[in-house]
Amino acid sequence: AQTVTQSQPEMSVQEAETVTLSCTYDTSESNYYLFWYKQPPSRQMILVIRQEAYKQQNATENRFSVNFQKAAKSFSLKISDSQLGDTAMYFCAFIGSYGGATNKLIFGTGTLLAVQP
Amino acid sequence: GAVVSQHPSRVICKSGTSVKIECRSLDFQATTMFWYRQFPKQSLMLMATSNEGSKATYEQGVEKDKFLINHASLTLSTLTVTSAHPEDSSFYICSARSLQGAETQYFGPGTRLLVL
Repeated sequence: AQTVTQSQPEMSVQEAETVTLSCTYDTSESNYYLFWYKQPPSRQMILVIRQEAYKQQNATENRFSVNFQKAAKSFSLKISDSQLGDTAMYFCAFIGSYGGATNKLIFGTGTLLAVQP
Repeated sequence: GAVVSQHPSRVICKSGTSVKIECRSLDFQATTMFWYRQFPKQSLMLMATSNEGSKATYEQGVEKDKFLINHASLTLSTLTVTSAHPEDSSFYICSARSLQGAETQYFGPGTRLLVL
């Protein structure tokens, strides 16, 4: 069965600094997708970034980038120039390719990130 | 693009009554919608997968007669909590997956349900 593990329940970073959130996963599928979602205090789930497993290039979205290590099954999120608005719960998630064995999002337990002024 | 709305955002009801929550994809068609439940400081727990025009698929341990799901169109799914009890109080979130780019889910803002 697919699992997603986030080993850091809470993290803190100073404004303007860089922080990395870790995520590992386990799967036997060869093609899949990985996501980072952000859930601020409003509780709205917001898609931060996604990575397709067959693409070797790491995804980036402005200040957010990932370090995708397929062999190690690792998918960390790097936030550069942290801003107060980045304070949120961050969830790593996995889904198999459409029509594959895992057709639903598998979430990690989340990492609560606090950006300090 | 890819906006999902939920209504109501919060609801308080008496024990024994039923509550309906709507989930709409506003700018895309969604063949599949998902319903999640989230307890405080925890991750999202998938309750059921809703496919347009067919019966929902419920996760193990979720009572299908208590949580009725209808997905009548490509833009609307509803979750009805029947005969609500205080233990049903929770945060319910829906998500939708578009016809194109089917692996990405877009989430609604959630509905906070309080059963007295």
